[in-house]
Amino acid sequence: AQSVTQLGSHVSVSEGALVLLRCNYSSSVPPYLFWYVQYPNQGLQLLLKYTTGATLVKGINGFEAEFKKSETSFHLTKPSAHMSDAAEYFCAVSGYGNKLVFGAGTILRVKS
Amino acid sequence: NAGVTQTPKFQVLKTGQSMTLQCAQDMNHNSMYWYRQDPGMGLRLIYYSASEGTTDKGEVPNGYNVSRLNKREFSLRLESAAPSQTSVYFCASSPLRASSYEQYFGPGTRLTVT
Repeated sequence: AQSVTQLGSHVSVSEGALVLLRCNYSSSVPPYLFWYVQYPNQGLQLLLKYTTGATLVKGINGFEAEFKKSETSFHLTKPSAHMSDAAEYFCAVSGYGNKLVFGAGTILRVKS
Repeated sequence: NAGVTQTPKFQVLKTGQSMTLQCAQDMNHNSMYWYRQDPGMGLRLIYYSASEGTTDKGEVPNGYNVSRLNKREFSLRLESAAPSQTSVYFCASSPLRASSYEQYFGPGTRLTVT
């Protein structure tokens, strides 16, 4: 069965600092991997996805993630945090039957 | 395109009351999903519909029923609400094309059961 572990339920960074949100997955089949962002009182919005091909995936708002099969990881990064990046971020892996399995989420706080 | 819409946005129920959460999508997607979101637990799948005419249980189906009314609409029903069903409910849809399993989410319904 597929599963996702997000390390750190809360991450705090200073404005302009590197953002690194960690995601490790377990999958018995080649995975499709996703990062979603949720701003307060809103639904989830797709940031980026990995399906096949290039392992470094670029998304919206300057975020990117690298698929590392040997480490079963798909960490999300952004070189310079902005106040508007404060939100909750979810990593997800594709499961059987066209379903997604989500991690517990990481709340990103950006300090001025 | 409105994308995925959900009604109502907020609802307060008393224990034992029933209600139906409505979801519609205008993207011609085949698959639709209902999730609940609770603090620290991410999103948990309640029910899903891979295509019109089919529905299947997800991770936490107890206390819920669903109807895939047509390709656009997928409703979630609570027959006898319990305080444990206090949560934020999200509907999502997916095109289910090869190499494209991403899901598109509605704005959510915030349900409180007292």
